[in-house]
Amino acid sequence: EVVLTQSPGTLSLSPGERATLSCRASQSVSSNSLAWYQQKPGQAPRLLIYGASSRTAGIPDRFSGSGSGTDFTLTISRLAPEDFAVYYCQHYGNSLWTFGQGTKVDVK
Amino acid sequence: EVQLVESGGGLVQPGRSLRLSCTGSGLIFGDYAMSWVRQAPGKGLEWVGFIRSKAYGGTTEYAASVNGRFLISRDDSKSIAYLHMNRLKTEDTAVYYCTSGSRVTVFGVIMGLDYWGHGTLVTVSS
Repeated sequence: EVVLTQSPGTLSLSPGERATLSCRASQSVSSNSLAWYQQKPGQAPRLLIYGASSRTAGIPDRFSGSGSGTDFTLTISRLAPEDFAVYYCQHYGNSLWTFGQGTKVDVK
Repeated sequence: EVQLVESGGGLVQPGRSLRLSCTGSGLIFGDYAMSWVRQAPGKGLEWVGFIRSKAYGGTTEYAASVNGRFLISRDDSKSIAYLHMNRLKTEDTAVYYCTSGSRVTVFGVIMGLDYWGHGTLVTVSS
């Protein structure tokens, strides 16, 4: 089973700043099998990125994903007020899926 | 617009069983793999399992924490996916989300979960 470790646990930033979120896998995974989600309180998660770097429809281009092997990154180029939320990475393998424990982005 | 609606949650005693349903609309249900993801109160997301579409054999995969206790099935004629939960434990208490996605790999695995229901709360307690 692939274990995903996200860092930092909490990221305190101001609107307009750049956010860099890390997701490290316990073993090398295909870039095709890594996704990122955003979750706000009381809501279901929303898919942002799949295949490590492909933005899903309707997601602003300030969100970008990168990485390969064991190290993946979600970058928010300039934080908008609505971006303060919890972010999860996910590995979707052929038979087992896992989520990271999440990174909370809150207002500094 | 794709909608997934879960039902069947509630309070159940440890050791008992419960069945959740997920009704889909706005999609050709039989063409989609379906998955369940849960979230314990105040905690992160945990994958439960998924069922491939019939085109990919309709086979299922489960997380180790539920394997042998939970079973996912589907009735494409009714556009419903089910999560049968047996031998429930207190640690199964969570909001259970029904999910799916518009892209699959050559193995019928969803590439990113585009669609989520609102979730249904299951509380396992005596």
